[in-house]
Amino acid sequence: QPALTQPPSASGTPGQRVTISCSGSSSNIGSNYVYWYQQLPGTAPKLLIYRNNQRPSGVPDRFSGSKSGTSASLAISGLRSEDEADYYCAAWDDSLKVFGTGTKVTVL
Amino acid sequence: QVQLQESGPGLVKPSETLSLTCTVSGASISSYYWTWIRQPPGKGLEWIGYIYYTGSTNYNPSLKSRLTISVDTSNNHFSLKLSSVTAADTAVYYCARVQPVAAPRGAFDIWGQGTVVTVSS
Repeated sequence: QPALTQPPSASGTPGQRVTISCSGSSSNIGSNYVYWYQQLPGTAPKLLIYRNNQRPSGVPDRFSGSKSGTSASLAISGLRSEDEADYYCAAWDDSLKVFGTGTKVTVL
Repeated sequence: QVQLQESGPGLVKPSETLSLTCTVSGASISSYYWTWIRQPPGKGLEWIGYIYYTGSTNYNPSLKSRLTISVDTSNNHFSLKLSSVTAADTAVYYCARVQPVAAPRGAFDIWGQGTVVTVSS
């Protein structure tokens, strides 16, 4: 089963900008939208970004998404302690939804 | 607001069938696509499959031979059955709504809190 590749961890101090990458292929990211989910410790995932760079209502504009070719990235600007969580990218691959391997963001 | 709640046994014996239900409140199940996702302990997310109120489904090929997802519009819930389970099926199981924009290949915009299922004798 295909998976999207993310770095296992990322970190920053409060106020810094952190970027998480998501690498895929032509059959998933290269030809479909990318989604990002945030999973706070012990909770269900929450939709953070849809259609590559759109934020659902209520998601702060500190979170931004972008896509280029077969890769995507999530940027968190003005990092805050409450951003400490696991982040997953996702995309459709034909009729299968695939998730990234996940990145744990730590606020130092 | 729309809320989803998973329910079902927390412990299933190997080789038996895992059965879960997701009850939807605050919205008609007939208006959206609905999906199941699971997360093994300490691991990432795995998409299981989705269903439309008409009964139309799409399953993860890796689970397709053991999986049935069904919908009950009169009781506003949908269900998952996974047969011949092994320890590898131990996970937190989540149900979620597929965002209407670009459904069924859209984002999962509303999630249940998840339910832990352990496969063990």
